[in-house]
Amino acid sequence: GAGVSQSPSNKVTEKGKDVELRCDPISGHTALYWYRQSLGQGLEFLIYFQGNSAPDKSGLPSDRFSAERTGGSVSTLTIQRTQQEDSAVYLCASSPTSGRGDTQYFGPGTRLTVL
Amino acid sequence: DQQVKQNSPSLSVQEGRISILNCDYTNSMFDYFLWYKKYPAEGPTFLISISSIKDKNEDGRFTVFLNKSAKHLSLHIVPSQPGDSAVYFCAASARAGNMLTFGGGTRLMVKP
Repeated sequence: GAGVSQSPSNKVTEKGKDVELRCDPISGHTALYWYRQSLGQGLEFLIYFQGNSAPDKSGLPSDRFSAERTGGSVSTLTIQRTQQEDSAVYLCASSPTSGRGDTQYFGPGTRLTVL
Repeated sequence: DQQVKQNSPSLSVQEGRISILNCDYTNSMFDYFLWYKKYPAEGPTFLISISSIKDKNEDGRFTVFLNKSAKHLSLHIVPSQPGDSAVYFCAASARAGNMLTFGGGTRLMVKP
């Protein structure tokens, strides 16, 4: 079956512009996560959605970052007024439930470059 | 403050030998640990996990060892194959939440 997909695969933008990154999770997966990987770093948690519950936004680095998940499926991560330090690979993952034993399945990521 | 650390950024081993990747953590609330493997331009893929109630979990060529007193875990790959060449991430989860805290990764190169 189809895995997690993300678009675009690459995004180059100018400092100060807004960007939207999209994630299509695996069908039927109720949990969705956003992470980012900066150059030479590990993956950093950003935000977590579980069903209709309020998202866990504890990893968002600033109020320029927001995310929504419509209809319990597709999610969009929005970065406003992008800064150069926002350059990273943004990864989305989904899992069947929020059970901690559930494997998180990752998409290929969106590479964001802020000039 | 990194809660999960992989102190070796890279590791090179000969095909057929054992690869040992190490990971240390500081948060005593972590009780579930995972290893992910990542190829270039792809997302991480799950490899193996271990709960804190165990000290070893084996799956084929892959074995994860957990030493809770030392807050240390390791991934053993035996025998190593060239296709195992990738970046390996250690990750941990705490009781209270489901998000994963990742280490910085170790690039494994298996030479034919």
